[in-house]
Amino acid sequence: DAKTTQPTSMDCAEGRAANLPCNHSTISGNEYVYWYRQIHSQGPQYIIHGLKNNETNEMASLIITEDRKSSTLILPHATLRDTAVYYCIVRLRFYNNAGNMLTFGGGTRLMVKP
Amino acid sequence: DSGVTQTPKHLITATGQRVTLRCSPRSGDLSVYWYQQSLDQGLQFLIQYYNGEERAKGNILERFSAQQFPDLHSELNLSSLELGDSALYFCASSAPPGTADSPLHFGNGTRLTVT
Repeated sequence: DAKTTQPTSMDCAEGRAANLPCNHSTISGNEYVYWYRQIHSQGPQYIIHGLKNNETNEMASLIITEDRKSSTLILPHATLRDTAVYYCIVRLRFYNNAGNMLTFGGGTRLMVKP
Repeated sequence: DSGVTQTPKHLITATGQRVTLRCSPRSGDLSVYWYQQSLDQGLQFLIQYYNGEERAKGNILERFSAQQFPDLHSELNLSSLELGDSALYFCASSAPPGTADSPLHFGNGTRLTVT
């Protein structure tokens, strides 16, 4: 799987949009971009994923650049409960004999402040 | 609630002992994955099973083993425990392979403390 690069930490004011960037310059056409978050030792929580089009769900929006080399996760109105480590992961689109696990990097520690 | 159930939530044991961690995947999911997260460390992939068969191995020690049963629940066995095995152990499950969109859904983990 392609590697990703994320800032180590970010701050965001409560009620404002949180924009979390991710670089994945070596991504291939057969790889999705997935976002997960982990709130203080809980299990990682799936947020959203996309291939090349922008995606939105009840939790967040995912903006993928046209060349697919980077993406941004947007939490439109951050709350204190959004404080967590956010992981951007590139994952093979199709299952193969090597499995289809997620490979986690260091993520971005987002601190939402009052 | 992800639908993935892990038991026990907490486990305290002594060095040299053996423990078994249990995971029940979401209904309909055939793949199960195990991850380890040591204190202040990242999530390390250990092993994946699909419909009872091992499909991928990561950084899993020889002292550790896993299996997936016909009812699709999985167990992770840790033996000859050492202090360094103290960690959070997460299980995840996903829909069958071939599904174009199949996120992993994680349980809330088992916190293992080896004393």
